[in-house]
Amino acid sequence: SYVLTQPPSVSVAPGQTARITCGGNNIGSKNVHWYQQKPGQAPVLVVYDDSDRPSGIPERFSGSNSGNTATLTISRVEAGDEADYYCQVWDSTSDHPGVFGGGTKLTVL
Amino acid sequence: QVQLQESGPGLVKPSQALSLTCTVSGGSISSGDYYWSWIRQPPGKGLEWIGYIYYSGNTYYNPSLKSRVTISVDTSKNQFSLKLSSVTAADTAVYYCARLNYYDSSGNFDYWGQGSLVTVSS
Repeated sequence: SYVLTQPPSVSVAPGQTARITCGGNNIGSKNVHWYQQKPGQAPVLVVYDDSDRPSGIPERFSGSNSGNTATLTISRVEAGDEADYYCQVWDSTSDHPGVFGGGTKLTVL
Repeated sequence: QVQLQESGPGLVKPSQALSLTCTVSGGSISSGDYYWSWIRQPPGKGLEWIGYIYYSGNTYYNPSLKSRVTISVDTSKNQFSLKLSSVTAADTAVYYCARLNYYDSSGNFDYWGQGSLVTVSS
């Protein structure tokens, strides 16, 4: 099955830019989706189709995808952005289509 | 606004079956516009997709769980359910139901339930 690789942790100071990567074989050919999960809460979709934002998600959240790496970028990071972030693809060619990355813990210093 | 709510026992004995139901409000499963999924998360770990069902009853399961998983739908109640048989401690997790927005061979989970912690223990 398709494998998505994320760094376990990323740290950033408030007001700075956080970049969380998601690696996968030719991931640029797939649509990548990103979720934010705060402690004790369900995940929330923050970016879909590489770079689109659902209604209600701040413009500070953006995404890109090319080659073997997709990236979630959070600009002007706030304390409230501290959370776990997961990337996800739907690999329709696989017998295991629903794939999540291992998750990245974003710490706001 | 679509809302999903899981319900079911929070404690299951080893070797028995885990059963959860997801009630959908604010939208109809029968519309056929979406698929309906179960996802789980062991304590302190990442997310694992379990499977999905369509309003017609068509299902697709994670191959690693396929032999033990059954997902069913009751459109009259706007609910779908998960049954996982022969559970062990490794099945202890928060179980989420979610709406799968599937299109153009891609899909994302755009609405989630709050999650239901199921502990497998004697």
